[in-house]
Amino acid sequence: EAQVTQNPRYLITVTGKKLTVTCSQNMNHEYMSWYRQDPGLGLRQIYYSMNVEVTDKGDVPEGYKVSRKEKRNFPLILESPSPNQTSLYFCASSSSDRIANYGYTFGSGTRLTVV
Amino acid sequence: DAKTTQPTSMDCAEGRAANLPCNHSTISGNEYVYWYRQIHSQGPQYIIHGLKNNETNEMASLIITEDRKSSTLILPHATLRDTAVYYCIVRPLNNNDMRFGAGTRLTVKP
Repeated sequence: EAQVTQNPRYLITVTGKKLTVTCSQNMNHEYMSWYRQDPGLGLRQIYYSMNVEVTDKGDVPEGYKVSRKEKRNFPLILESPSPNQTSLYFCASSSSDRIANYGYTFGSGTRLTVV
Repeated sequence: DAKTTQPTSMDCAEGRAANLPCNHSTISGNEYVYWYRQIHSQGPQYIIHGLKNNETNEMASLIITEDRKSSTLILPHATLRDTAVYYCIVRPLNNNDMRFGAGTRLTVKP
């Protein structure tokens, strides 16, 4: 089944403790992206990647890092999490093929709480 | 990216057609109209997209005005499971940057 898999689904952590949220897709998509969703603010893009070893900042990149060493994986790294990073996070992927491009496929989300 | 304007919320009776409007008056010639929906806190789900012709798939129909300044997503027979936030987005087909607005919260009532 074509899908984007995020792990973990739920995470509670303490301020300053480094964490990684993994994202993997099995559709050979070139493009991957991370969003966070907060009440009243909608979905905001954190980082995106056009292909392997190519990443760029979205609208709210502060406090986050990403890497794209393989086409299928796009982990989101919080080096020193803070309470304002408590949010619902979504990973998404998309094909760059113009004909086959039907927009994004989203993961199921990771609900992160930083205390 | 062209901005879109959608009503904040709408109600629809179960079994009736749900018509969700979207204004995109500054849309460019190479920008497509995409619709997604998000059920509760799940990941957004792609519904349909189009350029200038009306489109239909198993989920919905998309009607784009001739001047392309607005569109309507139609769910022909809404069910309770269609209750969700619906997002209208415009973007060039070869640009993967997808910017989500606030969307329309559709509530389907029995």
